[in-house]
Amino acid sequence: NAGVMQNPRHLVRRRGQEARLRCSPMKGHSHVYWYRQLPEEGLKFMVYLQKENIIDESGMPKERFSAEFPKEGPSILRIQQVVRGDSAAYFCASSPPGTGTYNEQFFGPGTRLTVL
Amino acid sequence: TQLLEQSPQFLSIQEGENLTVYCNSSSVFSSLQWYRQEPGEGPVLLVTVVTGGEVKKLKRLTFQFGDARKDSSLHITAAQPGDTGLYLCAGYSRTGNQFYFGTGTSLTVIP
Repeated sequence: NAGVMQNPRHLVRRRGQEARLRCSPMKGHSHVYWYRQLPEEGLKFMVYLQKENIIDESGMPKERFSAEFPKEGPSILRIQQVVRGDSAAYFCASSPPGTGTYNEQFFGPGTRLTVL
Repeated sequence: TQLLEQSPQFLSIQEGENLTVYCNSSSVFSSLQWYRQEPGEGPVLLVTVVTGGEVKKLKRLTFQFGDARKDSSLHITAAQPGDTGLYLCAGYSRTGNQFYFGTGTSLTVIP
Protein backbone atom coordinates (compact mmCIF):
# COMPACT_ATOMS: atom_id res chain seq x y z
CA ASN A 1 0.00 0.00 0.00
CA ALA A 2 1.83 3.05 -1.26
CA GLY A 3 2.02 6.06 1.01
CA VAL A 4 1.47 9.67 0.08
CA MET A 5 3.48 10.55 -2.99
CA GLN A 6 4.73 13.96 -3.95
CA ASN A 7 6.60 15.09 -7.01
CA PRO A 8 8.89 16.53 -7.83
CA ARG A 9 11.02 16.14 -4.72
CA HIS A 10 13.09 19.15 -5.69
CA LEU A 11 12.04 22.03 -7.91
CA VAL A 12 14.10 25.01 -8.98
CA ARG A 13 12.42 28.01 -10.55
CA ARG A 14 13.52 31.48 -11.51
CA ARG A 15 11.63 34.50 -10.24
CA GLY A 16 8.46 35.02 -12.25
CA GLN A 17 8.05 31.39 -13.34
CA GLU A 18 5.29 29.04 -12.27
CA ALA A 19 5.68 26.13 -9.88
CA ARG A 20 3.38 23.10 -9.89
CA LEU A 21 3.55 20.67 -7.02
CA ARG A 22 1.73 17.35 -7.16
CA CYS A 23 0.38 15.12 -4.45
CA SER A 24 -1.17 11.68 -4.72
CA PRO A 25 -2.91 10.68 -1.47
CA MET A 26 -2.82 7.25 0.10
CA LYS A 27 -5.22 4.73 -1.36
CA GLY A 28 -8.64 5.20 0.16
CA HIS A 29 -7.95 8.75 1.32
CA SER A 30 -10.16 11.46 -0.11
CA HIS A 31 -8.86 14.40 1.90
CA VAL A 32 -5.68 16.32 1.18
CA TYR A 33 -3.93 19.03 3.18
CA TRP A 34 -1.03 21.22 2.05
CA TYR A 35 1.53 22.70 4.41
CA ARG A 36 4.55 24.95 4.03
CA GLN A 37 7.67 24.69 6.14
CA LEU A 38 10.64 27.00 6.41
CA PRO A 39 13.99 25.72 7.79
CA GLU A 40 13.96 25.16 11.56
CA GLU A 41 10.25 25.96 11.73
CA GLY A 42 7.03 24.02 12.17
CA LEU A 43 4.33 23.34 9.61
CA LYS A 44 2.09 26.15 8.41
CA PHE A 45 -1.32 25.08 7.17
CA MET A 46 -2.19 26.31 3.70
CA VAL A 47 -5.26 24.56 2.32
CA TYR A 48 -7.57 21.58 2.89
CA LEU A 49 -9.29 19.91 -0.04
CA GLN A 50 -11.64 17.06 -0.77
CA LYS A 51 -12.23 15.72 -4.24
CA GLU A 52 -13.36 18.68 -6.38
CA ASN A 53 -13.86 20.90 -3.34
CA ILE A 54 -11.79 23.38 -1.37
CA ILE A 55 -12.85 23.03 2.25
CA ASP A 56 -10.53 25.53 3.94
CA GLU A 57 -8.03 27.81 2.25
CA SER A 58 -7.54 30.17 5.15
CA GLY A 59 -3.78 29.59 5.24
CA MET A 60 -3.11 30.22 1.60
CA PRO A 61 -1.99 33.62 0.28
CA LYS A 62 -4.77 35.31 -1.69
CA GLU A 63 -2.56 36.05 -4.67
CA ARG A 64 -0.45 33.77 -6.85
CA PHE A 65 -1.35 30.57 -4.96
CA SER A 66 -4.07 28.11 -5.92
CA ALA A 67 -4.87 24.48 -5.22
CA GLU A 68 -7.10 21.85 -6.70
CA PHE A 69 -7.97 18.21 -6.17
CA PRO A 70 -9.78 17.00 -9.29
CA LYS A 71 -12.03 13.98 -9.49
CA GLU A 72 -9.25 12.12 -11.28
CA GLY A 73 -5.57 12.62 -10.72
CA PRO A 74 -3.39 14.16 -8.06
CA SER A 75 -3.88 17.30 -6.04
CA ILE A 76 -1.98 20.27 -7.44
CA LEU A 77 -0.57 23.25 -5.58
CA ARG A 78 0.20 25.98 -8.06
CA ILE A 79 2.32 29.04 -7.42
CA GLN A 80 2.36 31.65 -10.14
CA GLN A 81 5.08 34.26 -10.64
CA VAL A 82 7.26 32.81 -7.90
CA VAL A 83 9.38 35.08 -5.73
CA ARG A 84 12.38 34.22 -3.56
CA GLY A 85 10.20 34.24 -0.47
CA ASP A 86 8.30 31.24 -1.84
CA SER A 87 11.39 29.06 -1.34
CA ALA A 88 10.40 26.44 1.22
CA ALA A 89 9.46 22.82 1.67
CA TYR A 90 5.86 22.07 0.77
CA PHE A 91 4.26 19.01 2.33
CA CYS A 92 1.09 17.24 1.43
CA ALA A 93 -0.82 15.02 3.85
CA SER A 94 -3.86 12.85 3.32
CA SER A 95 -6.49 11.41 5.60
CA PRO A 96 -9.65 9.33 5.41
CA PRO A 97 -13.00 11.15 5.74
CA GLY A 98 -12.85 11.15 9.52
CA THR A 99 -16.28 9.88 10.43
CA GLY A 100 -15.19 8.37 13.73
CA THR A 101 -13.89 9.68 17.01
CA TYR A 102 -10.43 10.34 15.67
CA ASN A 103 -8.56 10.71 12.46
CA GLU A 104 -4.95 10.56 11.31
CA GLN A 105 -2.90 12.33 8.68
CA PHE A 106 -0.06 10.78 6.76
CA PHE A 107 2.56 12.90 5.07
CA GLY A 108 4.41 12.75 1.81
CA PRO A 109 8.16 13.34 1.52
CA GLY A 110 7.69 16.95 0.46
CA THR A 111 8.73 19.13 -2.44
CA ARG A 112 11.61 21.49 -1.84
CA LEU A 113 11.12 24.60 -3.92
CA THR A 114 14.06 26.88 -4.57
CA VAL A 115 13.49 30.18 -6.31
CA LEU A 116 16.58 31.72 -7.85
CA THR B 1 -7.71 29.43 15.72
CA GLN B 2 -6.76 26.48 17.88
CA LEU B 3 -3.16 26.97 18.89
CA LEU B 4 -0.82 24.33 20.20
CA GLU B 5 2.30 25.49 21.98
CA GLN B 6 5.22 23.13 22.34
CA SER B 7 8.03 23.45 24.82
CA PRO B 8 10.88 23.54 24.77
CA GLN B 9 11.43 24.83 21.26
CA PHE B 10 15.00 23.54 21.15
CA LEU B 11 16.61 20.82 23.22
CA SER B 12 20.15 19.50 23.10
CA ILE B 13 21.06 16.64 25.41
CA GLN B 14 23.67 13.95 25.88
CA GLU B 15 23.03 10.38 24.87
CA GLY B 16 21.48 8.43 27.73
CA GLU B 17 19.62 11.35 29.30
CA ASN B 18 15.86 11.53 29.71
CA LEU B 19 13.68 14.32 28.37
CA THR B 20 10.08 15.47 28.20
CA VAL B 21 8.42 17.55 25.51
CA TYR B 22 5.15 19.32 26.21
CA CYS B 23 2.26 20.21 23.94
CA ASN B 24 -0.32 22.60 25.41
CA SER B 25 -3.50 24.23 24.26
CA SER B 26 -6.57 25.95 25.64
CA SER B 27 -8.72 23.97 23.19
CA VAL B 28 -10.10 20.47 23.53
CA PHE B 29 -9.21 17.98 20.82
CA SER B 30 -10.86 14.74 19.76
CA SER B 31 -7.44 13.13 19.47
CA LEU B 32 -3.80 14.11 19.30
CA GLN B 33 -0.96 12.87 17.17
CA TRP B 34 2.80 13.01 17.62
CA TYR B 35 5.15 13.06 14.64
CA ARG B 36 8.92 12.97 14.20
CA GLN B 37 10.50 14.65 11.23
CA GLU B 38 14.08 14.14 10.11
CA PRO B 39 15.92 16.64 7.90
CA GLY B 40 14.83 16.46 4.29
CA GLU B 41 11.91 14.16 5.01
CA GLY B 42 8.22 14.43 5.76
CA PRO B 43 6.79 14.01 9.28
CA VAL B 44 6.25 10.41 10.31
CA LEU B 45 3.34 9.54 12.57
CA LEU B 46 4.51 8.05 15.87
CA VAL B 47 1.30 7.68 17.84
CA THR B 48 -2.31 8.81 18.20
CA VAL B 49 -3.88 9.27 21.63
CA VAL B 50 -7.64 9.47 21.88
CA THR B 51 -8.89 9.12 25.45
CA GLY B 52 -8.27 11.68 28.19
CA GLY B 53 -5.54 10.36 30.50
CA GLU B 54 -4.41 7.78 27.98
CA VAL B 55 -0.80 6.65 28.10
CA LYS B 56 0.89 4.90 25.19
CA LYS B 57 4.38 3.50 25.05
CA LEU B 58 6.51 3.00 21.98
CA LYS B 59 9.78 1.40 23.11
CA ARG B 60 11.59 4.22 24.96
CA LEU B 61 8.93 6.81 24.14
CA THR B 62 5.96 7.40 26.44
CA PHE B 63 3.04 9.55 25.28
CA GLN B 64 0.32 10.90 27.54
CA PHE B 65 -2.90 12.70 26.71
CA GLY B 66 -4.15 15.11 29.35
CA ASP B 67 -7.33 14.28 31.25
CA ALA B 68 -9.12 17.24 29.66
CA ARG B 69 -7.74 16.41 26.19
CA LYS B 70 -6.11 19.83 25.93
CA ASP B 71 -2.49 18.86 26.38
CA SER B 72 -0.02 16.05 25.87
CA SER B 73 3.52 15.08 26.74
CA LEU B 74 6.21 12.96 25.15
CA HIS B 75 8.84 11.44 27.41
CA ILE B 76 11.96 9.80 26.01
CA THR B 77 14.02 7.56 28.25
CA ALA B 78 17.75 7.08 27.64
CA ALA B 79 17.83 9.20 24.50
CA GLN B 80 19.89 8.00 21.57
CA PRO B 81 21.34 9.90 18.59
CA GLY B 82 18.71 8.26 16.41
CA ASP B 83 16.05 10.18 18.35
CA THR B 84 17.35 13.43 16.88
CA GLY B 85 14.71 15.26 14.90
CA LEU B 86 11.83 17.69 14.97
CA TYR B 87 8.93 16.51 17.11
CA LEU B 88 5.50 17.83 16.22
CA CYS B 89 2.20 17.42 17.99
CA ALA B 90 -1.09 17.85 16.15
CA GLY B 91 -4.55 18.12 17.62
CA TYR B 92 -7.50 16.79 15.66
CA SER B 93 -10.88 18.47 15.72
CA ARG B 94 -13.89 16.54 14.45
CA THR B 95 -15.50 19.87 13.72
CA GLY B 96 -14.28 20.59 10.24
CA ASN B 97 -12.08 17.46 10.16
CA GLN B 98 -9.08 19.68 10.80
CA PHE B 99 -5.61 19.14 12.25
CA TYR B 100 -3.79 21.85 14.22
CA PHE B 101 -0.04 21.58 14.49
CA GLY B 102 2.17 22.61 17.35
CA THR B 103 5.14 24.89 17.01
CA GLY B 104 7.62 21.98 17.09
CA THR B 105 10.50 20.86 19.32
CA SER B 106 13.89 20.37 17.72
CA LEU B 107 15.78 17.66 19.59
CA THR B 108 19.50 16.97 19.22
CA VAL B 109 21.01 14.00 21.02
CA ILE B 110 24.78 14.23 21.24
CA PRO B 111 26.70 10.93 21.19
